[in-house]
This record gives sequence, C-alpha cells and structure tokens, in this order.
Amino acid sequence: DTAVSQTPKYLVTQMGNDKSIKCEQNLGHDTMYWYKQDSKKFLKIMFSYNNKELIINETVPNRFSPKSPDKAHLNLHINSLELGDSAVYFCASSQDPSGNTDTQYFGPGTRLTVL
Amino acid sequence: GNSVTQMEGPVTLSEEAFLTINCTYTATGYPSLFWYVQYPGEGLQLLLKATKADDKGSNKGFEATYRKETTSFHLEKGSVQVSDSAVYFCALSENAGKSTFGDGTTLTVKP
Repeated sequence: DTAVSQTPKYLVTQMGNDKSIKCEQNLGHDTMYWYKQDSKKFLKIMFSYNNKELIINETVPNRFSPKSPDKAHLNLHINSLELGDSAVYFCASSQDPSGNTDTQYFGPGTRLTVL
Repeated sequence: GNSVTQMEGPVTLSEEAFLTINCTYTATGYPSLFWYVQYPGEGLQLLLKATKADDKGSNKGFEATYRKETTSFHLEKGSVQVSDSAVYFCALSENAGKSTFGDGTTLTVKP
C-alpha cells in the first residue's frame, strides 16, 4: 500500500565498501529522484529520472550511480563508501515534470552510516 | 539560478501560540511554491502549495499566500499543537523535473 518505498531503512557499513539502496513507487509516476539530507537537515537533490532517462545529475561524485530498470524503480549504488557519505537518502517521485505544479512524494528514507 | 531562503531555526513555541515561518524566493520565471513537512523519522510530505500569484494554499490549519510583489510564501498557523513539531521546508518548482528547497526550519512546540 506504501506509495514510495525504500530498502533498507538503515544501513551501517565500513569505509570502502559498495552498497545499494532500492526505491520503488506504485503511484504510476513518470519521474523519480534521489536526495541526500545531511545531519543539519539540509536537503540536496542528487539525480532525477524521467521514464528511465537521466534528466538531472547534480554535482555528485561518480562513486554514486543511479539505475532505473523501469519507471517504477530507481536504485542508487554507491562505490567505495566514505565517511562523508553518512546521511539520510530519500527517494521521491512525481507525476509529470513538464509542468511546474508537481508535488513530490517522498519515501521514508534510508539512514546510511559509514564507519 | 533559483533559490529559496527560509527563516533560520530552531523555533520553539508554546502550544496555542501563533506561528510564522518566513520564506522568500528568487526565480527567473513563474514558479509554483510549496511547503513540505518532515515529522521525526519520516520522509517529507506536502503540506500545501500555490501555483500562481495571490493563490492561498491551506491545509491542517496552516496557510501560505503566494506574494509575487515581495517574492514570499510565508507559512502561518493561528494556534500550534505539540503534534506540529517537525521540520518545515519551503520549496519552488519551475524547471521540469527539479525543485529547489530551502534549508528547513525546525519547529518544537511545548505543552
């Protein structure tokens, strides 16, 4: 029943490891996003995909690679994790980015802790 | 580029107090404006929005009016409750597929 779901909810790992976060939306939306929220609650967009095509790629280290197997899924893979990657990562979706009235629907977040 | 500036927090109020969280924006065109709320341990959710100048968005006792002349979208509530404690984000959407968020304002309401 959940509109936007993410797994896992918590992820604790060592520096240098590679990890993935999965996101799925059942709203039938065309666009999906990844955001990073730091400890001060600042929210920064990382990527967005529209119908499996990358449309926004902010200045993010290339250790971060999004993958969209279909328009309902957008996964985030992170290579060689660093301490500074510790944050909460949010997936979101919206219906139609061609207009500007779109509401974004957020997942519950994945808290990543790099030790 | 686009930007959103909102009132720095944290804001602490007593129950039933009046709330204002200021938000101003810069944009090149005619954006839509949003307030999102993030309750502890959860993702953001839409609180209200306005899509054109002079529109008023309202929800759960919160209101905000799109003021083009002052480029503002201040959030107000007449009487806050403990359950309103959360982080509030002002945001604008203008370009396809991208929203710009403010830095968030943490509100704590004490009984």
